[in-house]
Amino acid sequence: GNSVTQMEGPVTLSEEAFLTINCTYTATGYPSLFWYVQYPGEGLQLLLKATKADDKGSNKGFEATYRKETTSFHLEKGSVQVSDSAVYFCALIRYSGGSNYKLTFGKGTLLTVNP
Amino acid sequence: DAGVTQSPTHLIKTRGQHVTLRCSPISGHKSVSWYQQVLGQGPQFIFQYYEKEERGRGNFPDRFSARQFPNYSSELNVNALLLGDSALYLCASISDRDKNIQYFGAGTRLSVL
Repeated sequence: GNSVTQMEGPVTLSEEAFLTINCTYTATGYPSLFWYVQYPGEGLQLLLKATKADDKGSNKGFEATYRKETTSFHLEKGSVQVSDSAVYFCALIRYSGGSNYKLTFGKGTLLTVNP
Repeated sequence: DAGVTQSPTHLIKTRGQHVTLRCSPISGHKSVSWYQQVLGQGPQFIFQYYEKEERGRGNFPDRFSARQFPNYSSELNVNALLLGDSALYLCASISDRDKNIQYFGAGTRLSVL
């Protein structure tokens, strides 16, 4: 079946540091890949997505590139801010027919950014 | 426009009881999905409904059931609650225009004592 493995945290950085959160996936065919962010006490927000190989998703300074050859979708940001402190989830959708668009999530990575 | 609304926000139940959680999708969205997020884990898929029909079911026992109404709102029901059902239950709303993007509500926090 489909699965997502992401770097487990917690990750603690100082403001303006470089961020990488690793994510690899297992799926047949060509899944769509996502990063979601969850701030304390809130639901999930879509951060970025990529739907085919070599696509780069980007939003709010975050980037991730869909690498089919390494089955990876690592999240990066060049300079983190305190406001980026949250839990980050890597996820995929592998459409299986019948209008079933099921998201498969990794376990999440807690990021804390200190001033 | 209102986003995805879920009610209640918090709920405390005891083992063996029944619970009903409610979700209203974004206006115009015909599909909803339900996910369970246990503390410290990623969300797990429970159900997906489209046009009032079940389109997908995750690996959850029959104690979990759901339905979707003509106005596309949805209910998730859990019978015979267990301690392990304590979790954040998330509802996601899906647009016909881009089924890859799911918009999540803030969730219902269920505690089973």
